[in-house]
Amino acid sequence: QTVVTQEPSFSVSPGGTVTLTCGLSSGSVSPTHYPSWFQQTPGQPPRTLLYTTSSRSSGVPDRFSGSIVGGKAALTITGAQADDESDYHCTLYVGDGIWLFGGGTRLTVL
Amino acid sequence: QVQLQQRGASLLQPSETLSLTCSVLGGSLRGYYWSWVRQPPGKGLEWLGEIHIGSNTNYNPSLEGRGTILVDMSKNLLFLRLTFVTAADTAVYYCARGRSKVLIELWGQGALVTVSS
Repeated sequence: QTVVTQEPSFSVSPGGTVTLTCGLSSGSVSPTHYPSWFQQTPGQPPRTLLYTTSSRSSGVPDRFSGSIVGGKAALTITGAQADDESDYHCTLYVGDGIWLFGGGTRLTVL
Repeated sequence: QVQLQQRGASLLQPSETLSLTCSVLGGSLRGYYWSWVRQPPGKGLEWLGEIHIGSNTNYNPSLEGRGTILVDMSKNLLFLRLTFVTAADTAVYYCARGRSKVLIELWGQGALVTVSS
């Protein structure tokens, strides 16, 4: 059974840079897994940040960027701000019309 | 501006059927992929399935055949039905809109479903 993996938690200092990753238990992530990233604060629905690896949704600042590095999808936040403290979820297309989410990463800014 | 409107919370007993509705306001169902995603309390997101008008409907195998996604084009409504619910189905359920290769670009506000005897 294929599993999408994310770091359970991460921390970053204000103004710092952090890279969160999204991997596949069955192998390397490629652009044909169409990685997406979502940001969620408590009690709110998720917000779409990035899709198809690196395309930003409307209104998302360019300090959020996406890539594939070392066989994993990556979300990089440059110049972290206090309100970036959130849960970050990724999803991958695994074929046959099936999408899987990772378990999410809780990012702390301190 | 398109909005996805979901009803409020609901309470079900084990073995009942979950029925959720999502109203698509200010836009059409046609041309997009429509998904349901859920989030158990304190846990991550789980994609349940998607429908694309005129194409296949796909479901997460984890539902083991219990889920059905339907649309009513005349009323711009999206539905989710989940049979034989258990406590493990307790979650906030989101409807969402996507495009080809883009799972979700627009989210509903979510509806809490609690399964308890």
